Amino acid sequence: GAGVSQSPSNKVTEKGKDVELRCDPISGHTALYWYRQRLGQGLEFLIYFQGNSAPDKSGLPSDRFSAERTGESVSTLTIQRTQQEDSAVYLCASSLVPGTAAAGNTIYFGEGSWLTVV
Amino acid sequence: GQNIDQPTEMTATEGAIVQINCTYQTSGFNGLFWYQQHAGEAPTFLSYNVLDGLEEKGRFSSFLSRSKGYSYLLLKELQMKDSASYLCARGDSNYQLIWGAGTKLIIKP
Repeated sequence: GAGVSQSPSNKVTEKGKDVELRCDPISGHTALYWYRQRLGQGLEFLIYFQGNSAPDKSGLPSDRFSAERTGESVSTLTIQRTQQEDSAVYLCASSLVPGTAAAGNTIYFGEGSWLTVV
Repeated sequence: GQNIDQPTEMTATEGAIVQINCTYQTSGFNGLFWYQQHAGEAPTFLSYNVLDGLEEKGRFSSFLSRSKGYSYLLLKELQMKDSASYLCARGDSNYQLIWGAGTKLIIKP
């Protein structure tokens, strides 16, 4: 597609329920990132996929969080047993190749999935 | 650590010039990005520096000094629509981005 597409755009869920967030990166982009951003705060790295390499999961805050990516396409971020502290916008981004020395390897963000846990 | 430091908030007047500074740890440096994020929206790319010096792009310019671990974003002829958060991010040797917390820029008439 033309840009990074995320769904749902908004999700309100009850505490304890599982949620699944989807990201469809720009076609041909091998690198895919998930970030979390709480209201008024900076970007918090969650996980990074690069091609067929093992993902970097170092940012996942707990074992309730997991993510998968099928090849170089769609990714899903799953949050199990949601807690109120999980309320945030979850941003997905993709880039053509990892950020090497070329401005064309900029990462592009989707519009985010706004999650509210009540 | 991998701290990216930038001011939390700045205020400027419409039509004026503002400089937003960013300092970062130099080890494993692989490029410096600036992004703009309006409230409730996703970040959008503004600039990328990998060599020392100034990159100019219309009203926005970005400067980098690799030896000092320092960058700034310069915004000229400020407009009300420039009110946003400005995020500094450093590429590291693993090709990931380390993000600052962002600088909230408030433009006053």
